Amino acid sequence: SAVISQKPSRDICQRGTSLTIQCQVDSQVTMMFWYRQQPGQSLTLIATANQGSEATYESGFVIDKFPISRPNLTFSTLTVSNMSPEDSSIYLCSVGQYGTYEQYFGPGTRLTVT
Amino acid sequence: EDKVVQSPLSLVVHEGDTVTLNCSYEVTNFRSLLWYKQEKKAPTFLFMLTSSGIEKKSGRLSSILDKKELFSILNITATQTGDSAVYLCTLNAGNMLTFGGGTRLMVKP
Repeated sequence: SAVISQKPSRDICQRGTSLTIQCQVDSQVTMMFWYRQQPGQSLTLIATANQGSEATYESGFVIDKFPISRPNLTFSTLTVSNMSPEDSSIYLCSVGQYGTYEQYFGPGTRLTVT
Repeated sequence: EDKVVQSPLSLVVHEGDTVTLNCSYEVTNFRSLLWYKQEKKAPTFLFMLTSSGIEKKSGRLSSILDKKELFSILNITATQTGDSAVYLCTLNAGNMLTFGGGTRLMVKP
């Protein structure tokens, strides 16, 4: 399986600011996803990061709030914009190869908004 | 809408016990069912199941899928305190994952 890193691993941010989370994979992958896990909840898919085009967002998530970039097959960023305390969560990227139906997760970013 | 339901929600056992975690699902376009172990932040991949009746095994953990009855089980034998975690059952119905609510397992010494 691919080795996935995320930066930062954790951050404490003021409300109204933005944070960009990076996800780096050590090999090319066709699929990259961003998930959110709010305290005490299971994981919720935010969006599929598409290489070279706009991300595909799930219901309840919008590009203005969670802009995503994916410039190549090994890297993606998720920005949490205009943060509020409700955005305090763990954010996870995951990767997979199209057609293999397995996904592997990065180590996650724990975000606290005060 | 695809759906994954896990039971029990939580479980407390003692070291050496055997546990069975349950996962039932509803899906339109099944691709695979995956089990993950989540201890702190990142879910760790355990198994991927695509075919009915074929047991996947890794050490003390094993899992099996029943595509007719739409469920899967994860067994852990001779549990250890290091098995304490949330176990997530996940449905892949076209590369996007739908997660169950998880089973929180606590193994006491």
